[in-house]
Amino acid sequence: GAVVSQHPSRVICKSGTSVKIECRSLDFQATTMFWYRQFPKQSLMLMATSNEGSKATYEQGVEKDKFLINHASLTLSTLTVTSAHPEDSSFYICSARIRDRAFNEQFFGPGTRLTVL
Amino acid sequence: GQNIDQPTEMTATEGAIVQINCTYQTSGFNGLFWYQQHAGEAPTFLSYNVLDGLEEKGRFSSFLSRSKGYSYLLLKELQMKDSASYLCAVATAGNKLTFGGGTRVLVKP
Repeated sequence: GAVVSQHPSRVICKSGTSVKIECRSLDFQATTMFWYRQFPKQSLMLMATSNEGSKATYEQGVEKDKFLINHASLTLSTLTVTSAHPEDSSFYICSARIRDRAFNEQFFGPGTRLTVL
Repeated sequence: GQNIDQPTEMTATEGAIVQINCTYQTSGFNGLFWYQQHAGEAPTFLSYNVLDGLEEKGRFSSFLSRSKGYSYLLLKELQMKDSASYLCAVATAGNKLTFGGGTRVLVKP
């Protein structure tokens, strides 16, 4: 149980285009989903916290107009990288917390490798 | 601010024991997690400590001292497949996780 999927797993796009990444909890309802970015040989950096039915909360330094997050249901959150540039190339990972569970554990998706040419 | 420190790299021999230390200074504390991450993959959960003491789970054990802001992950009977990055993460307010820089462990034959 507690499986999180991401789609696509890899995407290559041209500079200036927008890319949408989906994060789904497959067998549970997720109150909260988180979006992380990881550059090569670095750790995960939290970008934003996504709550179902409300606006996402962004971490300091993360542009909300560039990284659009929509948490439309208890099983789906999307991250759209708008007007992508080469510096946005990174490994994007989502995670989800199980609804109504006090335990803080987050379940991670397999990640999406974004390459912007 | 949040500050979580762990060594960058460690090397150990197959069959040996390795201890990865993590020190933290955070505003708020709701528990400490250890994750394993192989290159290009998502982190997988190893352990969770919220109270002081040792949690043992098979070959992996994790220790926490909240008063010292200190944790360690102990890997016993190292196997080649244990070569990976090990991430220390502290849960703070809002159930957010703040990650340390990760420790790359290389297991040699």
